[in-house]
Amino acid sequence: ETGVTQTPRHLVMGMTNKKSLKCEQHLGHNAMYWYKQSAKKPLELMFVYSLEERVENNSVPSRFSPECPNSSHLFLHLHTLQPEDSALYLCASSEETSIYNEQFFGPGTRLTVL
Amino acid sequence: ELKVEQNPLFLSMQEGKNYTIYCNYSTTSDRLYWYRQDPGKSLESLFVLLSNGAVKQEGRLMASLDTKARLSTLHITAAVHDLSATYFCAVKTMDSNYQLIWGAGTKLIIKP
Repeated sequence: ETGVTQTPRHLVMGMTNKKSLKCEQHLGHNAMYWYKQSAKKPLELMFVYSLEERVENNSVPSRFSPECPNSSHLFLHLHTLQPEDSALYLCASSEETSIYNEQFFGPGTRLTVL
Repeated sequence: ELKVEQNPLFLSMQEGKNYTIYCNYSTTSDRLYWYRQDPGKSLESLFVLLSNGAVKQEGRLMASLDTKARLSTLHITAAVHDLSATYFCAVKTMDSNYQLIWGAGTKLIIKP
């Protein structure tokens, strides 16, 4: 595997379900990100982890719970979601020590909440 | 509060033509990114611009940055169908090493 991978690629869940999204980066980066991309809205940063510590949490509802067990893996735990949470969830990673701190994105998980 | 505006939001053009996408931002920043997204796909990094007057080119795409005007441009030369995609600019906020404010995206359709 190369780059940033995400599983599953598609997920349909009911409002009472609990599910998790997984992200893995194979780039040796030290920061990982969760973004939400909804139709007709700019990309929204949800969470950032740097060296496995959460450094940004942009007023995201508690029904989204991130977890970063190590610098290569990032999870987003989902529970009691709402239909308006349906979106493309993108994971990204970057190397903070780089002058560019360029974010590399995974393919995304297309989430549908019924 | 940093705001990022892209224009146009939609652009349909013929192959072989030149065009420019504009990205304006409202407050000081020290880093600007351009990304490309194909339908149903993820975002691909195109350029990172750091300093005033920076210009980067890759194939038919050229990006420039004017920090005084708070403006970046993405110029497409002699467009080809393969460049059809949505292009986003993103600007780093000064108070965070991670937070990017994203433009709404420019959907570019290039007709043969």
